[in-house]
Amino acid sequence: DGGITQSPKYLFRKEGQNVTLSCEQNLNHDAMYWYRQDPGQGLRLIYYSQIVNDFQKGDIAEGYSVSREKKESFPLTVTSAQKNPTAFYLCASSIPEEETQYFGPGTRLLVL
Amino acid sequence: GNSVTQMEGPVTLSEEAFLTINCTYTATGYPSLFWYVQYPGEGLQLLLKATKADDKGSNKGFEATYRKETTSFHLEKGSVQVSDSAVYFCALSPRSGGYQKVTFGTGTKLQVIP
Repeated sequence: DGGITQSPKYLFRKEGQNVTLSCEQNLNHDAMYWYRQDPGQGLRLIYYSQIVNDFQKGDIAEGYSVSREKKESFPLTVTSAQKNPTAFYLCASSIPEEETQYFGPGTRLLVL
Repeated sequence: GNSVTQMEGPVTLSEEAFLTINCTYTATGYPSLFWYVQYPGEGLQLLLKATKADDKGSNKGFEATYRKETTSFHLEKGSVQVSDSAVYFCALSPRSGGYQKVTFGTGTKLQVIP
C-alpha cells in the first residue's frame, strides 16, 4: 500500500540537542511538506519542497532545517535554536494537479 | 492573505444527532475547499472537497457545499456516530498556479456520546 511513514512516533529532546524526524513516502509525489500542530492553532507550515534538491521556508522555519536528497524522503531537523519545540509534527505530500495533501501519522516531540 | 475561520469546539452531540460545523473563508479568486479529519493520535486525512462554486463534496455521510456568495463551506451530517469523534479541519487551496499553499482552519473537535 502506498502512503507516508513518519518515525519515531514519540521523540524526546534534551536541552541543546538537535533531533531529526523522518518522513518517507512511496506515493511518487513531487511535493512534500512539514507542518507543526499545536493545540488550538491548527497547522502551521514549517518547510516545503516541490522537487528534489530544492526546498522553501514556510511560515515558521526558524529553528528548523530540512533536506531533500531523494524524492521519497524529506527529513526535518529540530535544532537547539528552536526554543519551544514541543508539538505534534506532520509530514505531507501532494501532486500539484490534485491539490489534496496526504498526511503521515505524525511524530510527537517532547522536551525532557 | 487567505484565511479560514471555523467554529470553535468542542462540539458535543448525542449519537444520531444532526451535525453542522461552520466554515467561512477569505481568498482572492476561486480557491478549492477541503474538509480534513484527524482521529486521535493520527495524521489528517481528506474527508471531502469541492473545486468550484455550488459543488457539493460528500463522503461517509458527510456533505459540504461550496457557497461563493457567502464564502462558506459548512460541514454537515444527518446522523453522527460515536466513531465520528475526531477533529475536523476546513482548508483552502488558492489554485493560483505554481506552488499551492494550503491554508487550514484551527480545527473543530467533535465528541459524540452514546
